[in-house]
Amino acid sequence: NAGVTQTPKFRILKIGQSMTLQCAQDMNHNYMYWYRQDPGMGLKLIYYSVGAGITDKGEVPNGYNVSRSTTEDFPLRLELAAPSQTSVYFCASSWLASGEQYFGPGTRLTVT
Amino acid sequence: GESVGLHLPTLSVQEGDNSIINCAYSNSASDYFIWYKQESGKGPQFIIDIRSNMDKRQGQRVTVLLNKTVKHLSLQIAATQPGDSAVYFCAANHVGGSQGNLIFGKGTKLSVKP
Repeated sequence: NAGVTQTPKFRILKIGQSMTLQCAQDMNHNYMYWYRQDPGMGLKLIYYSVGAGITDKGEVPNGYNVSRSTTEDFPLRLELAAPSQTSVYFCASSWLASGEQYFGPGTRLTVT
Repeated sequence: GESVGLHLPTLSVQEGDNSIINCAYSNSASDYFIWYKQESGKGPQFIIDIRSNMDKRQGQRVTVLLNKTVKHLSLQIAATQPGDSAVYFCAANHVGGSQGNLIFGKGTKLSVKP
């Protein structure tokens, strides 16, 4: 099993550009999450999904959108990138609502 | 608002010593707690978890202690090794709101001196 995979690993965007961060898991987990991690800080939840077709906002959803058309994939869309979105983005998945979350390797995004 | 916090942002220990990393949480309704290790440039990696019906759980060289009275948990690492150098995060589940949320602390950076 590959676990949780994310692409790309690194990306530099100009202000106002858009992009999609890809996330996939092969563990058949229903729950999937997107976090951002700013330097020296913990993880903040952007969006999460409890199953295909169901998504909900986390703590910091502004400026992002998600979709969940399949169990495996959970892409994160940035529209009109801003410097405040410079961060490392982690995707995660889990079996249970309150249970171990498996993390991907992260995407380092810089917006200039 | 709900928070999870660590007492010390950095911790330096001698190789072979035991390490103790502390964490406090604010929501008394939280019933699931988890510790992650994050090495530089990598995603968080599961270490150990505990549910509120327990006050202690042991893994390989690691022990988590939960004190629900004072809303405190700790991670103990026995015989700390250089490979244990990383940032350690605690997290608690967010109860009463969105399902599946883990509230993360800011992390403690553990440095192991040879």
